[in-house]
Amino acid sequence: AQKVTQAQTEISVVEKEDVTLDCVYETRDTTYYLFWYKQPPSGELVFLIRRNSFDEQNEISGRYSWNFQKSTSSFNFTITASQVVDSAVYFCALRGGSEKLVFGKGTKLTVNP
Amino acid sequence: EAGVAQSPRYKIIEKRQSVAFWCNPISGHATLYWYQQILGQGPKLLIQFQNNGVVDDSQLPKDRFSAERLKGVDSTLKIQPAKLEDSAVYLCASSLVASGNTIYFGEGSWLTVV
Repeated sequence: AQKVTQAQTEISVVEKEDVTLDCVYETRDTTYYLFWYKQPPSGELVFLIRRNSFDEQNEISGRYSWNFQKSTSSFNFTITASQVVDSAVYFCALRGGSEKLVFGKGTKLTVNP
Repeated sequence: EAGVAQSPRYKIIEKRQSVAFWCNPISGHATLYWYQQILGQGPKLLIQFQNNGVVDDSQLPKDRFSAERLKGVDSTLKIQPAKLEDSAVYLCASSLVASGNTIYFGEGSWLTVV
């Protein structure tokens, strides 16, 4: 069975602080894909990044960076110099051989001015 | 490129009434999904279509929920009769056929059952 755990239910930071959102996954598949989505109050799930299981290179996109470590089954997401507009619920998700996308419960991030 | 379109955005109904949600996926996307997201939780897959065929409906409460994707494009999700616990956001999503492709979501249809 596939499972995604986001242990942090809510995080609150002050603007310009760095924040890391944790994601731990479980799967028996050798080929799988990991995703992060952002869900602002409007409700739409906005795709942020996709990584496949064979590519452990970390990725940076502007203020966002992702650290994928197969040894610890983790795919953590860091926002550098957070801004108020980053406030949202962030979901980590896993898609394995079954094609089903399994989500974690999400981490609600609040960035205060 | 147009995203996944859903309607209606908001719906309030009384329990035991019926409701239908419509979804138009991204052009060219053969795979279409319906997810249910209850407040405070992550989305849960209800049904997945590949063209107009059902791939996975193992978590669809078939006694009250039904979905179809005629002609392999638009899809409709129906709930009849609705229960209070069906209050949720119903998210439609789509992706290309190939394995591992990114799934893109619509804005969702917010259902409140009173």
